[in-house]
Amino acid sequence: QKEVEQNSGPLSVPEGAIASLNCTYSDRGSQSFFWYRQYSGKSPELIMFIYSNGDKEDGRFTAQLNKASQYVSLLIRDSQPSDSATYLCAVNMGGGYQKVTFGTGTKLQVIP
Amino acid sequence: DGGITQSPKYLFRKEGQNVTLSCEQNLNHDAMYWYRQDPGQGLRLIYYSQIVNDFQKGDIAEGYSVSREKKESFPLTVTSAQKNPTAFYLCAVGGLTDTQYFGPGTRLTVL
Repeated sequence: QKEVEQNSGPLSVPEGAIASLNCTYSDRGSQSFFWYRQYSGKSPELIMFIYSNGDKEDGRFTAQLNKASQYVSLLIRDSQPSDSATYLCAVNMGGGYQKVTFGTGTKLQVIP
Repeated sequence: DGGITQSPKYLFRKEGQNVTLSCEQNLNHDAMYWYRQDPGQGLRLIYYSQIVNDFQKGDIAEGYSVSREKKESFPLTVTSAQKNPTAFYLCAVGGLTDTQYFGPGTRLTVL
């Protein structure tokens, strides 16, 4: 069974701090990695994707990929209360055309 | 205005009833997906379609059916054979890459 694992949280950080969210995956051959943000009662919104080892930055968000260790992280700098949401990690583990496996998500709480 | 629309936003089903959830897109994407989300669980793939008139079962297809008669539309029917249908249903679309974008969702409740 191919899996994507995340700590369910909640992860609580003070406003202005860096939030670090982690995700591990079981298939070493995975090629594509995604982070979605999901507010309570809403649908997931894509915030980052990464294909290559290393870091990818977009504004306050940085995705970090380490294929050798099979983990992908999302860093949120200068965390704001509006960042409070559940963050879903998703991985294409090659199960079929564009088939993506989702983790259960990490709930982030940014404390003002 | 481009986007993905799902209707209705809320849906109530009685025991033994079939219901159909709508998903429409005008992003001209080829691939469309249906997921189910339950509290504390990740998104689970029900069906997906890469092109018109073709679709494949996902991980939890039992009790569901779909059609893909038009590129823009991918309706999902929840049949009476689905014993635990209460969930949040999400439609997604994808293009040439494996990036997927989600519609606003339909929340189905069994009465």
